[in-house]
Amino acid sequence: DAKTTQPPSMDCAEGRAANLPCNHSTISGNEYVYWYRQIHSQGPQYIIHGLKNNETNEMASLIITEDRKSSTLILPHATLRDTAVYYCIVRVASGTSYGKLTFGQGTILTVHP
Amino acid sequence: NAGVTQTPKFQVLKTGQSMTLQCAQDMNHEYMSWYRQDPGMGLRLIHYSVGAGITDQGEVPNGYNVSRSTTEDFPLRLLSAAPSQTSVYFCASSYSGGGQSPQHFGDGTRLSIL
Repeated sequence: DAKTTQPPSMDCAEGRAANLPCNHSTISGNEYVYWYRQIHSQGPQYIIHGLKNNETNEMASLIITEDRKSSTLILPHATLRDTAVYYCIVRVASGTSYGKLTFGQGTILTVHP
Repeated sequence: NAGVTQTPKFQVLKTGQSMTLQCAQDMNHEYMSWYRQDPGMGLRLIHYSVGAGITDQGEVPNGYNVSRSTTEDFPLRLLSAAPSQTSVYFCASSYSGGGQSPQHFGDGTRLSIL
């Protein structure tokens, strides 16, 4: 699976949009971009994923650049409960890495009042 | 809809004891997996299953056994607990193991081996 690079930490004011970047310059054509988050002491929570197109769900939006070498997770109106470690993960669709999620160090997002 | 349920939430064992960590999902997912999370190490895959009766090793399988007799359950067995197995264990499930299928995690079992 492709390696990802994320900033170690970010801050965001409550009510503002949080934009979390991820670099995955070695991504292959059949690899998906996934975002998970982990709030202290809880299991990782799935947020969103995409292949080529931008995606939006009730939690967030995912913007993938046209060359697919980077992406941005957008939390449109951050709340204090969004304080967590956010992981950007690239997953191959099939093959020897079938199913495995490789979690890096992630970005610690702190939302402050 | 409970999702992925792990029991127990906390457990303390003595070295050499055995125990089973339970994982159950009610989403009719074919793919299930076990991870361990240690400080500074991220999550590491222990074992996984692509369906009932089929299991395979992940990257850190030593000291652990799994079986998958039903679609819903995927227990993880520690045969002879060692202090190095002190960790937080997470179970996950998804419709399939393919990259297009999101995995959903339980809340974890925090295990301490004395």
